[in-house]
Amino acid sequence: EAQVTQNPRYLITVTGKKLTVTCSQNMNHEYMSWYRQDPGLGLRQIYYSMNVEVTDKGDVPEGYKVSRKEKRNFPLILESPSPNQTSLYFCASSLLGRTGELFFGEGSRLTVL
Amino acid sequence: ELKVEQNPLFLSMQEGKNYTIYCNYSTTSDRLYWYRQDPGKSLESLFVLLSNGAVKQEGRLMASLDTKARLSTLHITAAVHDLSATYFCAVDIGNTGNQFYFGTGTSLTVIP
Repeated sequence: EAQVTQNPRYLITVTGKKLTVTCSQNMNHEYMSWYRQDPGLGLRQIYYSMNVEVTDKGDVPEGYKVSRKEKRNFPLILESPSPNQTSLYFCASSLLGRTGELFFGEGSRLTVL
Repeated sequence: ELKVEQNPLFLSMQEGKNYTIYCNYSTTSDRLYWYRQDPGKSLESLFVLLSNGAVKQEGRLMASLDTKARLSTLHITAAVHDLSATYFCAVDIGNTGNQFYFGTGTSLTVIP
């Protein structure tokens, strides 16, 4: 089954404790991206990747890191989480090019105390 | 600054009625996508519109794209409760694709 898998789905952590949200897709998609969803703000892009070892900032990259060492994986790293990073996070992937609709993971709800 | 605006933000409608959700965007693009999100769930793709004048229909939903007006519409015909969800439009402004910007979403509630 084609899917984008995120882990963990739910996480409560404390300020400053490093965490990683994993994302894996099995559709051989070149493009992967991370979004955060906050009430009234829609989805805002954090980082994206067009291919292995190629990553770039989205609209709200501050406080986040990513890596793309393998085509299928695109982890999101919060080196020192702060309460303003409490949000619902989505990983998404698509084919590269002008017809690429996004396929989303199930979401990861993060709370930073 | 690129803007993708959806109207209305909240919509409460009775079963059996028709309504239209609008998505306006502020820059040139001929690729627009509609997604549906159920409460507490992920987003799923509804429609992919890839040219001016494109029209797609699935069940009670029909989406269209007017690139000259920078406007997409999502029309709901004879609404049923199962259509209650949040609907997002997303514009791809990249010359080679994959530069997506999302609207803030329209929360639709269909009342029996």
